[in-house]
Amino acid sequence: DAGVTQSPTHLIKTRGQQVTLRCSPISGHKSVSWYQQVLGQGPQFIFQYYEKEERGRGNFPDRFSARQFPNYSSELNVNALLLGDSALYLCASSSGQGAYNEQYFGPGTRLLVL
Amino acid sequence: GENVEQHPSTLSVQEGDSAVIKCTYSDSASNYFPWYKQELGKRPQLIIDIRSNVGEKKDQRIAVTLNKTAKHFSLHITETQPEDSAVYFCAAPLYSGAGSYQLTFGKGTKLSVIP
Repeated sequence: DAGVTQSPTHLIKTRGQQVTLRCSPISGHKSVSWYQQVLGQGPQFIFQYYEKEERGRGNFPDRFSARQFPNYSSELNVNALLLGDSALYLCASSSGQGAYNEQYFGPGTRLLVL
Repeated sequence: GENVEQHPSTLSVQEGDSAVIKCTYSDSASNYFPWYKQELGKRPQLIIDIRSNVGEKKDQRIAVTLNKTAKHFSLHITETQPEDSAVYFCAAPLYSGAGSYQLTFGKGTKLSVIP
């Protein structure tokens, strides 16, 4: 059974550009969460989606948005990129809603903003 | 604000010795506490978790203990091996408003096992 997959693996953008990151959850999982991991820090929660609805939002500006599709895959969009958005973006899937379910991480997308 | 604090930030042990990493959390309603291992350049992987209906859980050389009264939980690794070298993160669901909880991570502990 395939694990969580993410694309692309690496991305280089310049300030002010927009980026879209993609995630496919484990088969049968209906929840996808997005995290930002800055070098040397723990993952920081951005969004959770369950059954195609937003169920949680972390302390991130409105430049960050996400959505979940009928097949439970998800996209994270970041507009007007800043240098500080450079990080590893992790997607995690779980079978149920909320932070009390086991979450399985994808390999991440490493974003560099120049 | 709600947070999870993790100590120490770095830990070096001799191969075969034990390692202990401790975390405290602020939300008394939290009742699920996972631990993740992240090797360099790789994804965080769940290695063990505990729910608040038990005080301790073991899986081979790894154990987690929970003290809900004191709001802290710990990861114990016995008979450490070089392949245990990695960054370990604790996490807890903390209330984020509007009836939802978000999984909040500690800042991580870099464990180095010296052969």
